[in-house]
Amino acid sequence: EPEVTQTPSHQVTQMGQEVILRCVPISNHLYFYWYRQILGQKVEFLVSFYNNEISEKSEIFDDQFSVERPDGSNFTLKIRSTKLEDSAMYFCASSTRDRVSYGYTFGSGTRLTVV
Amino acid sequence: QKEVEQNSGPLSVPEGAIASLNCTYSDRVSQSFFWYRQYSGKSPELIMSIYSNGDKEDGRFTAQLNKASQYVSLLIRDSQPSDSATYLCAVNFGAGSYQLTFGKGTKLSVIP
Repeated sequence: EPEVTQTPSHQVTQMGQEVILRCVPISNHLYFYWYRQILGQKVEFLVSFYNNEISEKSEIFDDQFSVERPDGSNFTLKIRSTKLEDSAMYFCASSTRDRVSYGYTFGSGTRLTVV
Repeated sequence: QKEVEQNSGPLSVPEGAIASLNCTYSDRVSQSFFWYRQYSGKSPELIMSIYSNGDKEDGRFTAQLNKASQYVSLLIRDSQPSDSATYLCAVNFGAGSYQLTFGKGTKLSVIP
């Protein structure tokens, strides 16, 4: 079964440092997403990406965040200057345009710890 | 503000029983509804999707949707210890958005 692949699985970074989280979506999917889940809290939407541009973003996705699809396969989330409160699980997801697939496939996640 | 509410539990049921998980949402025009299962430290895994009023069955799982009451539920028949997890309700509120809004989840424990 096709998978969404995320690397690294766990990243520890110092406050103020830049991090890049990487994702390889399912190959025939067209929509890409980043969500995050702070420990013990809800899964929260960050951003959706379609046709090489951001289609939606949440209030969480401020200027310190950016997304990019640098080639035909990777989809990255960059956090420019990490804060302690950025510590969370970050999930990448992808979906086709088909309505049924709005229930998208999540990757296994990257646990980001900011110290 | 679009909200999805779930009872956080924990909900404990004996093995073989029916587990009933409930979810309410704030926007009457919501279009798509999903149940995800999340094991501790893992990513959400899609179990069921439902779009129309009524019931939808898939194996031991039945999703029920009542748009007038803004209510969606998940029934798990013949519950197994391996079903012990947190169940997340997610809603797509439509209007051209592909975003999912999640509830906080209900923790289910199936007791052998």
